[in-house]
Amino acid sequence: GAGVSQSPSNKVTEKGKDVELRCDPISGHTALYWYRQRLGQGLEFLIYFQGNSAPDKSGLPSDRFSAERTGESVSTLTIQRTQQEDSAVYLCASSPPTGARNSPLHFGNGTRLTVT
Amino acid sequence: AQKVTQAQTEISVVEKEDVTLDCVYETRDTTYYLFWYKQPPSGELVFLIRRNSFDEQNEISGRYSWNFQKSTSSFNFTITASQVVDSAVYFCALTPSNTGNQFYFGTGTSLTVIP
Repeated sequence: GAGVSQSPSNKVTEKGKDVELRCDPISGHTALYWYRQRLGQGLEFLIYFQGNSAPDKSGLPSDRFSAERTGESVSTLTIQRTQQEDSAVYLCASSPPTGARNSPLHFGNGTRLTVT
Repeated sequence: AQKVTQAQTEISVVEKEDVTLDCVYETRDTTYYLFWYKQPPSGELVFLIRRNSFDEQNEISGRYSWNFQKSTSSFNFTITASQVVDSAVYFCALTPSNTGNQFYFGTGTSLTVIP
């Protein structure tokens, strides 16, 4: 079946502009995660959704970052007034209702964001 | 504190050599899960293995094997007879039992297999 889909795959934006990154999880997956991966770095946790609520927003780096999720479906990560330090690959992952501990995360291909 | 350390940033081996990727973790929880993921050049992370803290049996899957030792808080990954297709970044991850599905990833080890 279809995997986690992220769009756009690449985004180049000017400093100061807002961007929206989209994630379509695997159908039926209630848990959804956003991670950031800077060049040559590991995965930095941003936010986790269970359904459309976000019990853990601890990783959002500043108030310029926000995310929402519609039901148990699409999620949008919004970055306002982008800075060059926001340049990274933004990865989305989902897992089924049995819980991520019983099931692995399924990752999308990511959105590569470049802020010029 | 919850933490995963992958001390090896980059490793290069010649094809057919064996290679071990190290993973050391920290957690206060007695129940937790450990994972390895592979990130090939295409970018998509691929799940390799999950291990819970109550199961210290080592596991072998083809050329891949995993050595879980609670005494040293390590969950090392060995590739036997490496192949060029094994070239990727490998991530170790921890999810403790009481953090509501939070995953903690290491910084990754970039493996290059030279033909």
